[in-house]
Amino acid sequence: GAVVSQHPSWVICKSGTSVKIECRSLDFQATTMFWYRQFPKQSLMLMATSNEGSKATYEQGVEKDKFLINHASLTLSTLTVTSAHPEDSSFYICSARGGFGETQYFGPGTRLLVL
Amino acid sequence: GQQLNQSPQSMFIQEGEDVSMNCTSSSIFNTWLWYKQDPGEGPVLLIALYKAGELTSNGRLTAQFGITRKDSFLNISASIPSDVGIYFCAGHRNSGNTPLVFGKGTRLSVIA
Repeated sequence: GAVVSQHPSWVICKSGTSVKIECRSLDFQATTMFWYRQFPKQSLMLMATSNEGSKATYEQGVEKDKFLINHASLTLSTLTVTSAHPEDSSFYICSARGGFGETQYFGPGTRLLVL
Repeated sequence: GQQLNQSPQSMFIQEGEDVSMNCTSSSIFNTWLWYKQDPGEGPVLLIALYKAGELTSNGRLTAQFGITRKDSFLNISASIPSDVGIYFCAGHRNSGNTPLVFGKGTRLSVIA
Protein backbone atom coordinates (compact mmCIF):
# COMPACT_ATOMS: atom_id res chain seq x y z
CA GLY A 1 0.00 0.00 0.00
CA ALA A 2 0.87 3.65 -0.19
CA VAL A 3 3.28 5.02 2.41
CA VAL A 4 2.84 8.23 4.34
CA SER A 5 5.53 9.44 6.70
CA GLN A 6 5.44 12.02 9.46
CA HIS A 7 8.21 13.87 11.17
CA PRO A 8 8.89 14.19 14.01
CA SER A 9 7.29 11.15 15.61
CA TRP A 10 7.22 12.92 18.95
CA VAL A 11 8.06 16.38 20.23
CA ILE A 12 8.19 18.08 23.60
CA CYS A 13 8.15 21.84 23.67
CA LYS A 14 7.70 24.74 26.04
CA SER A 15 4.45 26.64 26.21
CA GLY A 16 4.46 29.57 23.78
CA THR A 17 6.73 28.03 21.19
CA SER A 18 5.72 26.90 17.72
CA VAL A 19 6.03 23.36 16.43
CA LYS A 20 6.08 22.22 12.81
CA ILE A 21 5.01 18.73 11.79
CA GLU A 22 5.75 17.39 8.31
CA CYS A 23 3.69 14.88 6.39
CA ARG A 24 5.01 13.27 3.24
CA SER A 25 3.52 10.84 0.75
CA LEU A 26 6.49 8.69 -0.21
CA ASP A 27 5.35 6.74 -3.23
CA PHE A 28 2.39 8.63 -4.62
CA GLN A 29 1.27 12.16 -5.30
CA ALA A 30 -1.23 13.37 -2.74
CA THR A 31 -3.65 15.86 -4.21
CA THR A 32 -5.40 16.10 -0.86
CA MET A 33 -3.99 15.83 2.64
CA PHE A 34 -5.87 15.77 5.90
CA TRP A 35 -4.82 16.59 9.44
CA TYR A 36 -6.41 14.88 12.41
CA ARG A 37 -5.89 15.04 16.14
CA GLN A 38 -6.66 12.23 18.50
CA PHE A 39 -7.09 12.35 22.26
CA PRO A 40 -6.51 9.24 24.38
CA LYS A 41 -9.11 6.53 23.85
CA GLN A 42 -10.99 8.63 21.32
CA SER A 43 -11.48 8.53 17.59
CA LEU A 44 -9.77 10.75 15.07
CA MET A 45 -11.05 14.30 14.81
CA LEU A 46 -10.58 15.99 11.46
CA MET A 47 -8.92 19.38 11.82
CA ALA A 48 -8.49 20.48 8.23
CA THR A 49 -8.33 19.44 4.61
CA SER A 50 -5.73 20.80 2.27
CA ASN A 51 -5.38 20.59 -1.47
CA GLU A 52 -2.05 21.20 -3.11
CA GLY A 53 -1.54 24.84 -3.93
CA SER A 54 -4.65 26.16 -2.23
CA LYS A 55 -5.68 27.25 1.24
CA ALA A 56 -6.71 24.64 3.73
CA THR A 57 -10.33 24.15 4.72
CA TYR A 58 -10.69 24.03 8.49
CA GLU A 59 -13.34 22.19 10.43
CA GLN A 60 -15.62 24.13 12.70
CA GLY A 61 -13.93 25.04 15.95
CA VAL A 62 -10.39 24.69 14.65
CA GLU A 63 -8.46 27.97 14.73
CA LYS A 64 -6.77 28.50 11.39
CA ASP A 65 -4.35 31.06 12.83
CA LYS A 66 -3.23 28.62 15.48
CA PHE A 67 -2.92 25.56 13.27
CA LEU A 68 -1.20 26.73 10.11
CA ILE A 69 -1.30 24.29 7.24
CA ASN A 70 0.81 24.48 4.12
CA HIS A 71 0.50 22.07 1.22
CA ALA A 72 3.17 23.38 -1.07
CA SER A 73 3.75 20.26 -3.14
CA LEU A 74 2.01 17.05 -4.09
CA THR A 75 4.09 15.11 -1.59
CA LEU A 76 4.42 17.44 1.39
CA SER A 77 2.08 19.12 3.81
CA THR A 78 3.05 20.81 7.06
CA LEU A 79 1.09 21.63 10.18
CA THR A 80 2.48 24.33 12.43
CA VAL A 81 1.06 24.65 15.91
CA THR A 82 1.72 28.26 16.79
CA SER A 83 2.17 29.49 20.35
CA ALA A 84 1.51 26.03 21.67
CA HIS A 85 -0.17 25.56 25.04
CA PRO A 86 -0.55 22.46 27.21
CA GLU A 87 -4.08 21.90 25.92
CA ASP A 88 -2.60 21.47 22.44
CA SER A 89 -0.87 18.32 23.64
CA SER A 90 -2.27 15.52 21.54
CA PHE A 91 -1.56 12.92 18.89
CA TYR A 92 -1.57 14.53 15.46
CA ILE A 93 -2.04 12.29 12.43
CA CYS A 94 -1.90 13.25 8.79
CA SER A 95 -3.53 11.41 5.94
CA ALA A 96 -3.04 11.59 2.20
CA ARG A 97 -5.20 10.75 -0.78
CA GLY A 98 -4.05 10.43 -4.34
CA GLY A 99 -7.12 11.54 -6.20
CA PHE A 100 -10.87 11.84 -6.34
CA GLY A 101 -12.50 9.13 -4.26
CA GLU A 102 -9.27 7.27 -3.67
CA THR A 103 -8.37 5.62 -0.42
CA GLN A 104 -6.84 7.66 2.37
CA TYR A 105 -3.57 6.46 3.85
CA PHE A 106 -2.41 7.58 7.24
CA GLY A 107 0.93 8.59 8.63
CA PRO A 108 2.29 7.09 11.85
CA GLY A 109 1.34 10.16 13.89
CA THR A 110 3.20 12.77 15.90
CA ARG A 111 2.83 12.95 19.63
CA LEU A 112 3.06 16.53 20.89
CA LEU A 113 3.58 17.34 24.53
CA VAL A 114 3.53 20.99 25.52
CA LEU A 115 4.95 21.74 28.95
CA GLY B 1 -18.31 15.35 13.34
CA GLN B 2 -18.88 11.65 13.86
CA GLN B 3 -21.82 10.25 11.94
CA LEU B 4 -21.01 6.56 12.08
CA ASN B 5 -22.27 4.36 14.88
CA GLN B 6 -19.74 1.65 15.56
CA SER B 7 -20.33 -1.28 17.87
CA PRO B 8 -19.32 -2.79 20.09
CA GLN B 9 -17.15 -0.22 21.83
CA SER B 10 -14.90 -2.90 23.24
CA MET B 11 -14.54 -6.65 23.18
CA PHE B 12 -12.63 -9.19 25.24
CA ILE B 13 -12.28 -12.53 23.51
CA GLN B 14 -10.32 -15.73 23.85
CA GLU B 15 -7.60 -16.48 21.35
CA GLY B 16 -9.05 -18.53 18.51
CA GLU B 17 -12.52 -17.04 18.70
CA ASP B 18 -14.17 -15.20 15.83
CA VAL B 19 -14.96 -11.50 16.15
CA SER B 20 -17.60 -9.36 14.53
CA MET B 21 -18.04 -5.61 14.64
CA ASN B 22 -20.20 -3.27 12.62
CA CYS B 23 -20.92 0.29 11.63
CA THR B 24 -24.19 1.91 10.76
CA SER B 25 -25.18 5.30 9.48
CA SER B 26 -28.32 7.26 8.87
CA SER B 27 -26.79 8.50 5.61
CA ILE B 28 -25.74 6.68 2.47
CA PHE B 29 -22.03 6.10 2.07
CA ASN B 30 -20.24 5.46 -1.21
CA THR B 31 -17.16 3.89 0.33
CA TRP B 32 -16.55 1.92 3.49
CA LEU B 33 -13.09 1.44 4.90
CA TRP B 34 -11.84 -0.50 7.89
CA TYR B 35 -8.66 0.54 9.68
CA LYS B 36 -6.70 -0.88 12.60
CA GLN B 37 -4.74 1.34 14.96
CA ASP B 38 -2.08 0.07 17.31
CA PRO B 39 -1.11 2.18 20.34
CA GLY B 40 0.97 5.19 19.37
CA GLU B 41 0.60 4.51 15.66
CA GLY B 42 -1.51 5.84 12.83
CA PRO B 43 -4.41 3.81 11.43
CA VAL B 44 -3.51 1.14 8.92
CA LEU B 45 -5.95 0.27 6.15
CA LEU B 46 -7.30 -3.27 6.37
CA ILE B 47 -10.06 -3.44 3.80
CA ALA B 48 -11.67 -0.98 1.39
CA LEU B 49 -15.17 -1.51 0.00
CA TYR B 50 -16.48 0.42 -2.98
CA LYS B 51 -19.75 -1.23 -4.06
CA ALA B 52 -22.97 -2.03 -2.23
CA GLY B 53 -23.08 -5.72 -1.42
CA GLU B 54 -19.34 -6.15 -1.89
CA LEU B 55 -17.76 -8.81 0.29
CA THR B 56 -13.99 -8.64 0.54
CA SER B 57 -11.46 -10.72 2.45
CA ASN B 58 -7.92 -9.99 3.57
CA GLY B 59 -6.50 -13.09 5.22
CA ARG B 60 -8.57 -13.79 8.31
CA LEU B 61 -10.50 -10.56 7.88
CA THR B 62 -13.73 -10.26 5.95
CA ALA B 63 -15.76 -7.10 5.47
CA GLN B 64 -18.99 -6.35 3.67
CA PHE B 65 -20.55 -3.19 2.25
CA GLY B 66 -24.23 -3.31 3.19
CA ILE B 67 -26.81 -3.40 0.42
CA THR B 68 -28.54 -0.31 1.78
CA ARG B 69 -25.15 1.48 1.73
CA LYS B 70 -25.78 2.50 5.31
CA ASP B 71 -23.82 -0.21 7.08
CA SER B 72 -20.77 -2.40 7.01
CA PHE B 73 -19.35 -5.19 9.12
CA LEU B 74 -15.89 -6.58 9.77
CA ASN B 75 -15.28 -10.17 10.84
CA ILE B 76 -12.02 -11.55 12.16
CA SER B 77 -11.75 -15.31 12.24
CA ALA B 78 -9.57 -17.36 14.60
CA SER B 79 -8.27 -14.35 16.50
CA ILE B 80 -4.64 -14.21 17.60
CA PRO B 81 -2.90 -11.97 20.16
CA SER B 82 -1.61 -9.56 17.51
CA ASP B 83 -5.20 -8.73 16.55
CA VAL B 84 -5.29 -6.55 19.67
CA GLY B 85 -5.89 -2.92 18.83
CA ILE B 86 -8.57 -0.43 17.93
CA TYR B 87 -10.58 -1.01 14.78
CA PHE B 88 -12.20 1.95 13.07
CA CYS B 89 -14.77 2.00 10.35
CA ALA B 90 -14.77 4.98 8.04
CA GLY B 91 -16.59 6.06 4.97
CA HIS B 92 -17.09 8.64 2.30
CA ARG B 93 -20.53 10.09 1.90
CA ASN B 94 -22.04 10.78 -1.51
CA SER B 95 -19.17 12.82 -2.85
CA GLY B 96 -16.00 10.79 -3.10
CA ASN B 97 -13.92 13.86 -2.54
CA THR B 98 -15.23 14.52 0.95
CA PRO B 99 -13.13 13.74 4.03
CA LEU B 100 -13.55 10.39 5.68
CA VAL B 101 -16.10 10.10 8.45
CA PHE B 102 -14.98 7.83 11.29
CA GLY B 103 -16.68 5.60 13.76
CA LYS B 104 -15.61 5.80 17.39
CA GLY B 105 -13.71 2.56 17.20
CA THR B 106 -13.90 -0.93 18.65
CA ARG B 107 -11.18 -1.79 21.14
CA LEU B 108 -10.31 -5.48 20.82
CA SER B 109 -8.51 -7.41 23.52
CA VAL B 110 -7.46 -11.01 22.93
CA ILE B 111 -6.82 -13.28 25.89
CA ALA B 112 -4.30 -15.98 25.19
